[in-house]
Amino acid sequence: EGQLVESGGGVARPGASLRLSCVASGFRFDEYGMSWVRQVPGKGLEWVSGLNWNGGDATYADSVRGRFTISRDNAKSSLYLQMHSVRAEDTALYHCVREDYLSYDAFDIWGQGTMVTVSS
Amino acid sequence: EVVLTQSPGTLSLSPGDRATLSCRASQSVNSRYFAWYQHKAGQAPRLLIYGASSRATGIPDRFSGGGSGTDFTLTISRLEPEDFAVYYCQQYGTSTRVPFGGGTKVEIK
Repeated sequence: EGQLVESGGGVARPGASLRLSCVASGFRFDEYGMSWVRQVPGKGLEWVSGLNWNGGDATYADSVRGRFTISRDNAKSSLYLQMHSVRAEDTALYHCVREDYLSYDAFDIWGQGTMVTVSS
Repeated sequence: EVVLTQSPGTLSLSPGDRATLSCRASQSVNSRYFAWYQHKAGQAPRLLIYGASSRATGIPDRFSGGGSGTDFTLTISRLEPEDFAVYYCQQYGTSTRVPFGGGTKVEIK
């Protein structure tokens, strides 16, 4: 079964930049769309950004559009989230997720997440 | 923009009880792109139901989903100890919006 492992989280000052990474294993990474979903501790889930299988179609939540950029390297089975101008409200656990075309693109594999804390 | 509202916020039940969770959309959605997830503290969320009523791989048949249009339900026929968790509904498959509901916590009574 597939696995996703995120890294790159940490503590950042407001206005700083951060790059999250996600490495996939156990499945053909280049066949699937991927997304980032975040969760503020004690709160609900929020979809952040999605990218189709070849990186040609990226989508963003209104809350991050213009500040975050999603990308992928299929040769490395890796997904990235470049975060610029981070804000306190970006503090959350960021999960990398797979969109399964066999289940109409539902999010069938989730990583454990990497924590981002934005604080001065 | 579709807003998903889950009710109740918390459900207090005992093992063996039947649980019925509701998710209402602010406008009609395509049930093909409707899902339910289970989330336990310290774990990654898990896909339970996709296409409104299809169980994901490995999900026990005590979990069932139904509904269409604006009203969807997740039913757990008999609660097992491992089912106490937070459940989220989601509408996906659109290019720019992938909303989740606010979640229903199923707790032990």
